[in-house]
Amino acid sequence: DQQVKQNSPSLSVQEGRISILNCDYTNSMFDYFLWYKKYPAEGPTFLISISSIKDKNEDGRFTVFLNKSAKHLSLHIVPSQPGDSAVYFCAASGGSDYKLSFGAGTTVTVRA
Amino acid sequence: DGGITQSPKYLFRKEGQNVTLSCEQNLNHDAMYWYRQDPGQGLRLIYYSQIVNDFQKGDIAEGYSVSREKKESFPLTVTSAQKNPTAFYLCASGYVLNTEAFFGQGTRLTVV
Repeated sequence: DQQVKQNSPSLSVQEGRISILNCDYTNSMFDYFLWYKKYPAEGPTFLISISSIKDKNEDGRFTVFLNKSAKHLSLHIVPSQPGDSAVYFCAASGGSDYKLSFGAGTTVTVRA
Repeated sequence: DGGITQSPKYLFRKEGQNVTLSCEQNLNHDAMYWYRQDPGQGLRLIYYSQIVNDFQKGDIAEGYSVSREKKESFPLTVTSAQKNPTAFYLCASGYVLNTEAFFGQGTRLTVV
């Protein structure tokens, strides 16, 4: 049973506009959430994270929002750039288990 | 340079043969992970380890084995019992709680 879900397999956005990626989780023990970016045939690279004690974390063009009551988080990329075209994975960990559980990913395509 | 290294990048094996994928890190991380990615799918956890000589099964451990004899090394063996071994394999390492994991560049295994 997948505990981290990314229900949108793909997203197309125009350059300069905002990209919003969504992620839902089912395990209430999760208390740390991360977003990774991945290019084909490469390992994922860490983008941004958020602890459950916060509801927002910002790093440059990337902002992650956490809604604990809804078990939902989102990643905002503003403004979107062509180099942002990649697969984005949401991940979570927490409780007594330190393993990282990943969602299925969302492929973002930034159009010129 | 500090980092996590997977080798080889591409690997071909005949069906029925066991094969071992290498993963080494010099980041002094306690936790190490193996994930598998199939086309159009997310990252599925195979095995993970927090400490030397200890490891846990992930979501899809059947047909795989690991060892953690040294903190720096976490090799994965894909056995002949794994029904669909052709995939992109990713190794990661990190500190145990509430920190990001760093990924290697991956090994693409093709079984013919």
